[in-house]
Amino acid sequence: GNSVTQMEGPVTLSEEAFLTINCTYTATGYPSLFWYVQYPGEGLQLLLKATKADDKGSNKGFEATYRKETTSFHLEKGSVQVSDSAVYFCALLYNQGGKLIFGQGTELSVKP
Amino acid sequence: GAVVSQHPSWVICKSGTSVKIECRSLDFQATTMFWYRQFPKQSLMLMATSNEGSKATYEQGVEKDKFLINHASLTLSTLTVTSAHPEDSSFYICSACRDEQYFGPGTRLTVT
Repeated sequence: GNSVTQMEGPVTLSEEAFLTINCTYTATGYPSLFWYVQYPGEGLQLLLKATKADDKGSNKGFEATYRKETTSFHLEKGSVQVSDSAVYFCALLYNQGGKLIFGQGTELSVKP
Repeated sequence: GAVVSQHPSWVICKSGTSVKIECRSLDFQATTMFWYRQFPKQSLMLMATSNEGSKATYEQGVEKDKFLINHASLTLSTLTVTSAHPEDSSFYICSACRDEQYFGPGTRLTVT
């Protein structure tokens, strides 16, 4: 079946450090891939997305490239800020009713 | 645009009572809304798909008689937790579909 696996957290970084959060997926066909961010006590916000292989999604300094050959969609940011502290969810969308499948989430904590 | 609200943002109720949570798309119409449940430090679990004017489609293992979903209009879906028990305490998040899923801010339910 379809599934998403993320690296376990929490991830703790110092401000201005480089961030990578790994995400791999299993899916039939060609799903769209997403990264969502959840700040404490809030709902989810779409961070970026990619709809086909080799697409790169980017937003607010975050990037992720849809790699079909490795079934991955790793999230990266060159220089994190304290305000980036949140939980990040990787997700895939498959066409059966437009349902999203989420990874388990990775908590990021950035220290000043 | 594409704002989704939830009401209430948090609620405390006594065991055995029922609680209604509203999900509204404020500036767009949504024929499809989704309801998720999130346990602390865990991912989102899809509970059901709510389609305007028809019965909701529940995911496997979700009790439809306990979690009543009504999608009465193109901008409103409601989730009623009937005869709530402490194990129903959770964070409930809805999303509404337009070109993609837009998430509400969530409702924290605590059953005492």
